Amino acid sequence: GAGVSQSPSNKVTEKGKDVELRCDPISGHTALYWYRQSLGQGLEFLIYFQGNSAPDKSGLPSDRFSAERTGGSVSTLTIQRTQQEDSAVYLCASSFRTGLNTEAFFGQGTRLTVV
Amino acid sequence: AQKITQTQPGMFVQEKEAVTLDCTYDTSDQSYGLFWYKQPSSGEMIFLIYQGSYDEQNATEGRYSLNFQKARKSANLVISASQLGDSAMYFCAMREVSGYALNFGKGTSLLVTP
Repeated sequence: GAGVSQSPSNKVTEKGKDVELRCDPISGHTALYWYRQSLGQGLEFLIYFQGNSAPDKSGLPSDRFSAERTGGSVSTLTIQRTQQEDSAVYLCASSFRTGLNTEAFFGQGTRLTVV
Repeated sequence: AQKITQTQPGMFVQEKEAVTLDCTYDTSDQSYGLFWYKQPSSGEMIFLIYQGSYDEQNATEGRYSLNFQKARKSANLVISASQLGDSAMYFCAMREVSGYALNFGKGTSLLVTP
């Protein structure tokens, strides 16, 4: 597709369950980012991938959060033992490279609700 | 510490008027980039404009311009001739040469009224 694709668009899960969120970046984009946006808040950086490597995982809030990227393309963000405070919109973005002036293109996000 | 500060949680402007959205930033890097994104109610993040720390001229993109005051560490977005479709959240962001991520502010909600 032409843009960053995220699935599912909405996910409702029970507290304590594991969830997987998927991101398909724009073809050819080597940099991939995950962000979290809580209601009425700004974007909180979670993790950055360059190719399949994650040189910056500093934003992952706890060890319940993990992410991987395979083939330099698709990325999966996994949240284990979900908590209610994990409820948020999870946004994925990709960029052609990581330069100071490189804009990031965002997907539509996955809205996660933990009940 | 917050790297990007947007002090206006909400702003109103009348159609066809100009509006300025404030953004201040904090960095010790000499090289950095500043971005503005728009987020309509549909949720997607739309890139608007970029300003590099070494750019001598203020960036402009159509009705958007950036009032860059490096000594004050401010990068305010100016929207001229506001349109109803400009109603959205606006986020200021910065990428530093020492990092990878775009660091975002908390955003300003803009409402354009007829």
